[in-house]
Amino acid sequence: QTVVTQEPSLTVSPGGAVTLTCASSTGPLTIGNYPTWFQQKPGQAPRALIYSTTNKHSWTPARFSGSLLGGKAALTVSGVQPEDEAEYYCLIYYGGAWFFGGGTKLIVL
Amino acid sequence: QVQLQESGPRLVKPSETLSLTCTISGGAMNNNYWTWIRQPPGKGLQWLGCIFHTGSTNYDPSLKGRVSISLDMSKNQFSLKMTSVTAADTAMYYCVRVPVTTRDFDIWGQGTLVTVSS
Repeated sequence: QTVVTQEPSLTVSPGGAVTLTCASSTGPLTIGNYPTWFQQKPGQAPRALIYSTTNKHSWTPARFSGSLLGGKAALTVSGVQPEDEAEYYCLIYYGGAWFFGGGTKLIVL
Repeated sequence: QVQLQESGPRLVKPSETLSLTCTISGGAMNNNYWTWIRQPPGKGLQWLGCIFHTGSTNYDPSLKGRVSISLDMSKNQFSLKMTSVTAADTAMYYCVRVPVTTRDFDIWGQGTLVTVSS
């Protein structure tokens, strides 16, 4: 079974920068794993921020960016805002199925 | 614009079959993977499976054949069935559109909470 690992929680100060990562037990992630990042706030459905590694939606704030770093997928937030406090999930494609990470709780403090 | 709406029983008894339907409005079924995702209360997300407009399917291997997804293009609907449910299957169930060209989980239903209890 594919296991996708994320940091359980990260704390960042307003205006700061933070990078969330996503690793797979299958090995280094590539663009062929279509890494996707979701933001979820309490009581809301998840919303995709980044798809296919680096692509943004029209609703994705410019301060969010996706990349591959050292075999992991990464979500970087530059100039963090208080409203960015949320749970973030990565999702990868492998072997015909999709697998979610356990989520990272981003705390803005 | 495309909208998705889940429907089905909110309460299912243990060992029975959970059945949900997603109705698509404002768009065609072609060239999309129609997907089910769930989230137990207070926990993370799980991709359950998807169906292409041709009828081909893929499922989470961990569900060991308990899940099946079908589609009815004449009604613009696709459905989820999960057999032999237990309390661990209590979750918010979402239907999601994933375009083939982008592999982007771009449009979600509002979700429906299904509780497994006797």
